[in-house]
Amino acid sequence: QSALTQPASVSGSPGQSITISCTGTSSDVSGYNYVSWYQQHPGKAPKLMVYEVNNRPSGVSNRFSGSKSGNTASLTISGLQAEDEADYFCISYTSSRTHVVFGGGTKLTVL
Amino acid sequence: EVQLVHSGAEVKKPGESLKISCKGSGYTFTNYWIGWVRQMPGKGLEWMGIIYPGNSDTRYSPSFQGQVTISADKSIRSAYLQWSSLKASDTAMYYCARLNGDHIDSWGQGTLVTVSS
Repeated sequence: QSALTQPASVSGSPGQSITISCTGTSSDVSGYNYVSWYQQHPGKAPKLMVYEVNNRPSGVSNRFSGSKSGNTASLTISGLQAEDEADYFCISYTSSRTHVVFGGGTKLTVL
Repeated sequence: EVQLVHSGAEVKKPGESLKISCKGSGYTFTNYWIGWVRQMPGKGLEWMGIIYPGNSDTRYSPSFQGQVTISADKSIRSAYLQWSSLKASDTAMYYCARLNGDHIDSWGQGTLVTVSS
């Protein structure tokens, strides 16, 4: 069982917006503004999409945005494209000795 | 450019030992935590543990304590993940990842470990 809870799957049609949630506790998500999101296509290594709740690394499309409210962080993808179909994982900084905790992952299907 | 490069895929038998590696380049290797991540077939990512190559401070997630050994050799900018006796359930893709403060900003390409009799 993962420390952070994500829905197993979400779906949307091209052009629509979807939101993936990531729920934790006061020891991680709500305790720090340090939630990051990763995209993983089959057979590929994960790619950083958002860090520190709502910052995008250079080169990541502005269709990807992050937010947080209380114990729940969210990743929103607007203007869905076929290439967005992938698994998405959240990670939060935590007070534990290993520094971060992972979400279980969400499979995004673009219909 | 930050790069983490893994050793190649491995096929082993149950009970055998194994050590896989991850070599960092493009940054000061001793200044960042390196973590190891397991991804079993068709499953999510699991954080196994971390090491700080600057002083070899090593920490394990509870599920992996005693199951694997994480180490590093800063002279050759490499981190390692080691098993003394593999099980079929160790079959997975293993990634190393650079922890940049509060998030992972770089991943290796992964090493596929297959354990089968």
